[in-house]
Amino acid sequence: ILNVEQSPQSLHVQEGDSTNFTCSFPSSNFYALHWYRWETAKSPEALFVMTLNGDEKKKGRISATLNTKEGYSYLYIKGSQPEDSATYLCAFMGNNQGGKLIFGQGTELSVKP
Amino acid sequence: GAVVSQHPSWVICKSGTSVKIECRSLDFQATTMFWYRQFPKQSLMLMATSNEGSKATYEQGVEKDKFLINHASLTLSTLTVTSAHPEDSSFYICSARRLAGEDTQYFGPGTRLTVL
Repeated sequence: ILNVEQSPQSLHVQEGDSTNFTCSFPSSNFYALHWYRWETAKSPEALFVMTLNGDEKKKGRISATLNTKEGYSYLYIKGSQPEDSATYLCAFMGNNQGGKLIFGQGTELSVKP
Repeated sequence: GAVVSQHPSWVICKSGTSVKIECRSLDFQATTMFWYRQFPKQSLMLMATSNEGSKATYEQGVEKDKFLINHASLTLSTLTVTSAHPEDSSFYICSARRLAGEDTQYFGPGTRLTVL
């Protein structure tokens, strides 16, 4: 059974705080690691697809890093805003698995104004 | 671009009835669609992978006769929960992939099924 773990489960921060959360995944048979942002009553929105060890990707105030050798990825949000409040999901994609995603349980972020 | 819709967004049905959920890619053709479900406090779990024009591939533990998947066109896949029971109450969500080999999956907003 492949395990994808995210921590923390939930996070409450003040507007302007920077924050980060972790996704750990199997280090074997790695193909890609996905990050999604999921706001209530909306579709999960793709943030990043990361494939290379040491990769760092950025989208506005959000960035992510990847370590495939030790099996973890960090997602950082700089200067959190209330509109960043959402559940952040990571998903592991293995090699030759037909595109199957194995999701973590998510980190629920709440940003207070 | 890359918008996926699902219908209905929620449904309540009696035990023993069948429920059909539609997943549509609105502005692209989806070679592959995926069906997930999420029970409370748990992660999204893949149920099946659906390729247009061929039979769906089901994950271990998912009954293919209970969860019928049809992917008749490049923009539409349907999931039918047959003879639904209260334990089938869950959140069902689909995703679509534009091209074979593209990694990103585009998700619909999901369907909340409650079986009384």
